[in-house]
Amino acid sequence: GAGVSQSPSNKVTEKGKDVELRCDPISGHTALYWYRQRLGQGLEFLIYFQGNSAPDKSGLPSDRFSAERTGESVSTLTIQRTQQEDSAVYLCASSLEGWGGNTEAFFGQGTRLTVV
Amino acid sequence: AQSVAQPEDQVNVAEGNPLTVKCTYSVSGNPYLFWYVQYPNRGLQFLLKYITGDNLVKGSYGFEAEFNKSQTSFHLKKPSALVSDSALYFCAVSGLTDKLIFGTGTRLQVFP
Repeated sequence: GAGVSQSPSNKVTEKGKDVELRCDPISGHTALYWYRQRLGQGLEFLIYFQGNSAPDKSGLPSDRFSAERTGESVSTLTIQRTQQEDSAVYLCASSLEGWGGNTEAFFGQGTRLTVV
Repeated sequence: AQSVAQPEDQVNVAEGNPLTVKCTYSVSGNPYLFWYVQYPNRGLQFLLKYITGDNLVKGSYGFEAEFNKSQTSFHLKKPSALVSDSALYFCAVSGLTDKLIFGTGTRLQVFP
């Protein structure tokens, strides 16, 4: 597609359930980022992929969070045993170059996760 | 450690007046600097970037930013603000060995 696509756009889940968020980056973009944006706050870095590997996953808040990327394309962010504090908009971005690259990142519309 | 600071939570300016949104950064080596804008209920949009060369960078919608190495700043500016510029603005930085990280954002409110 022309841009970064994220699905679902909205997800309401019960506390304790697992959720999977998907990101389809722009074709050919080697770098992929996940960020979290809580209501009224800035972007919190979660994890960065260069190709299929994740050289920096320092932002993942706990071991309940994991992410993978396959085929240098689609990425999934999984949150296990969701908690109410996980409620946020999860943003995915991709860029042509990655680590140390100077190309801008293009963002998806985000997945709004609400844990009830 | 890599960091970005946006010292103002909100900036208010009258339409037609010049605006400045401040950003300072810390990164090892030469920085790559970016500004993004987030309109209500819309995704983040790229405005402009500084990689190398001219310290004054021009971007979308009439915005520009000035890279100041000695002050480690990259302030966003526009000569004449529009009400439609009202949005949330994010400064971001990456480097040769640093991931792309964002500031906390500054809400720009332009009053008619």
